[in-house]
Amino acid sequence: EAQVTQNPRYLITVTGKKLTVTCSQNMNHEYMSWYRQDPGLGLRQIYYSMNVEATDKGDVPEGYKVSRKEKRNFPLILESPSPNQTSLYFCASSIYPTDTQYFGPGTRLTVL
Amino acid sequence: AQKVTQAQTEISVVEKEDVTLDCVYETRDTTYYLFWYKQPPSGELVFLIRRNSFDEQNEISGRYSWNFQKSTSSFNFTITASQVVDSAVYFCALSEAGANTGGFKTIFGAGTRLFVKA
Repeated sequence: EAQVTQNPRYLITVTGKKLTVTCSQNMNHEYMSWYRQDPGLGLRQIYYSMNVEATDKGDVPEGYKVSRKEKRNFPLILESPSPNQTSLYFCASSIYPTDTQYFGPGTRLTVL
Repeated sequence: AQKVTQAQTEISVVEKEDVTLDCVYETRDTTYYLFWYKQPPSGELVFLIRRNSFDEQNEISGRYSWNFQKSTSSFNFTITASQVVDSAVYFCALSEAGANTGGFKTIFGAGTRLFVKA
């Protein structure tokens, strides 16, 4: 089954404790992206990746890191999480940047 | 700069009413793509439609229809004879080919929450 998976689905952590949210797709898609969803703001793009070892900033990259060492995986790293990073995070993938994006189920992160 | 505006924060209708969700966008590119996604209460994001900037034909899919007008930079979405299952948040999104921005960002609107009452 074609899908985008994210782990964990829910995470409660404390300020400053490094965490990684994993994202994996099995569709051989070139393009992957991370978004955060906050009430009243819609989805905002954090980072995107055109292919392996090719990443670029979206609109809200501060406080986040990503890597793309394999085509299927695109982890999101919060080196020192802060409460303002409490949000719902979505990973997405598509064949090309302007194609339909397939979204993962979301990761709800709470930073205390 | 890219921008997507969904001016309607919430809309409430009674079942069987028609409802139109507005989407206005800004872009400097001549080549771009517009999308609508649905987010039901369960939280997943469901693709509804993709339209490129060179195709202004309106589209109808069952009870759903889309009106794309480049002259007004709008891509509105109409649900005919709404049903309770249509209750969701609907997002409009814009992706550019990157000629002017140097990248391939996707911008979402803030979303419109639709309540359909039985």
